[in-house]
Amino acid sequence: EVQLVESGGGLVQPGGSQRLSCAASGFTFSSFWMHWVRQVPGKGPVWVSRINGDGSRTHYADSVKGRFTISRDNTKNTLYLQMSSLRIDDTGVYYCVRDTIGGRTKFDSWGQGILVTVSS
Amino acid sequence: DIQMTQSPSSLSATIGDKVTITCRASQIISSYLNWYQQRPGKAPSLLIYDASTFQSGVPSRFSGSGSGTDFSLTINSVQPEDFGTYYCQQSYSTPYTFGQGTKVEIK
Repeated sequence: EVQLVESGGGLVQPGGSQRLSCAASGFTFSSFWMHWVRQVPGKGPVWVSRINGDGSRTHYADSVKGRFTISRDNTKNTLYLQMSSLRIDDTGVYYCVRDTIGGRTKFDSWGQGILVTVSS
Repeated sequence: DIQMTQSPSSLSATIGDKVTITCRASQIISSYLNWYQQRPGKAPSLLIYDASTFQSGVPSRFSGSGSGTDFSLTINSVQPEDFGTYYCQQSYSTPYTFGQGTKVEIK
């Protein structure tokens, strides 16, 4: 069974930093593109970033480019999102999401989500 | 960025009704359109990908159609467990964008 478990969320002040982790199990982690998607309660999800299987290719939404860094450790089956210069509008539930192999991007497995609150 | 617009924003259905949700893209996206269901307090769950292909385990009362810019998700004979919010998402290009959601309430 595919499992994705996020950790590292919480309250952080504007301008601060936070690192999210996602522990993956139940599949060959290194074979899959992985993504971070965030959602403000009551709003639609927003794609944040993605990384390929060996970590050599990354892409970001314009709203986080230069502030967030996605990475992975395939020896630990763990995905990361390093967030810096956090803004109030970065507040939301952050999901670790697996992409399918082959074809266009589709988010076939999601973690339970972790809340990040940016507030003074 | 490609904008995704869903309608209606909410609906109320009786068990057994047929429900249709539409999604329009701001530019042509071929058939690169996915649908998700999200129940309260849970993560979204993939229902249909590439506009009309079922994800494994999805009941056959769900169907998707469309291409280009206009798409629809239909639930034939709505069941109690179909409550929640439904989102479309384009996979044509990054940034991958979602619609604002359609909340389905079961009467």
